[in-house]
Amino acid sequence: AQSVTQLDSQVPVFEEAPVELRCNYSSSVSVYLFWYVQYPNQGLQLLLKYLSGSTLVKGINGFEAEFNKSQTSFHLRKPSVHISDTAEYFCAVTSGVIQGAQKLVFGQGTRLTINP
Amino acid sequence: DGGITQSPKYLFRKEGQNVTLSCEQNLNHDAMYWYRQDPGQGLRLIYYSQIVNDFQKGDIAEGYSVSREKKESFPLTVTSAQKNPTAFYLCASSIQILNQPQHFGDGTRLSIL
Repeated sequence: AQSVTQLDSQVPVFEEAPVELRCNYSSSVSVYLFWYVQYPNQGLQLLLKYLSGSTLVKGINGFEAEFNKSQTSFHLRKPSVHISDTAEYFCAVTSGVIQGAQKLVFGQGTRLTINP
Repeated sequence: DGGITQSPKYLFRKEGQNVTLSCEQNLNHDAMYWYRQDPGQGLRLIYYSQIVNDFQKGDIAEGYSVSREKKESFPLTVTSAQKNPTAFYLCASSIQILNQPQHFGDGTRLSIL
């Protein structure tokens, strides 16, 4: 069975500092990986996705993530954060379709707080 | 613009009452999903449907029911059998290709009176 572990439940960072949100997954087969962002009282918005090819993936809002197959990791990074990046971030993995629908497994989330 | 509409945004349930959460999408997606979100637990799958008139239980289906009579609509009923219904409920949809992302609505927050 697949699982996703987000190693930090909360990450406080000062504005304009770099940030890394860590995600590790377990799966015995090839996977597709996603990062989503959730602002307060809203749904999830896709930040970026890894499907195949280059292991460095660029997303929206200046975020990027690196897929590392040997370490089964997919860490999210941003070189300089802004107050508006304050949100909860979810890592998700899928490798299977269950009866025509996509089976996504989510991590527990990381709450990113940007301080002025 | 295409998207997913969930209503209401806030909902209150009395003891012993069933309540229904609405989810409508105009993305022409075949697959639809319901998730429950609790603080610190991420998202957990309640039910999913890959096609009209067919749906399957997810990881935490007990106390919930769904229907899929139209491609665009996938309502979730929280029954009185669900003893801890207070949570944030998210509806999502996707096309039936493995590597395509799910699209989410803005959620319904359910509380107990």
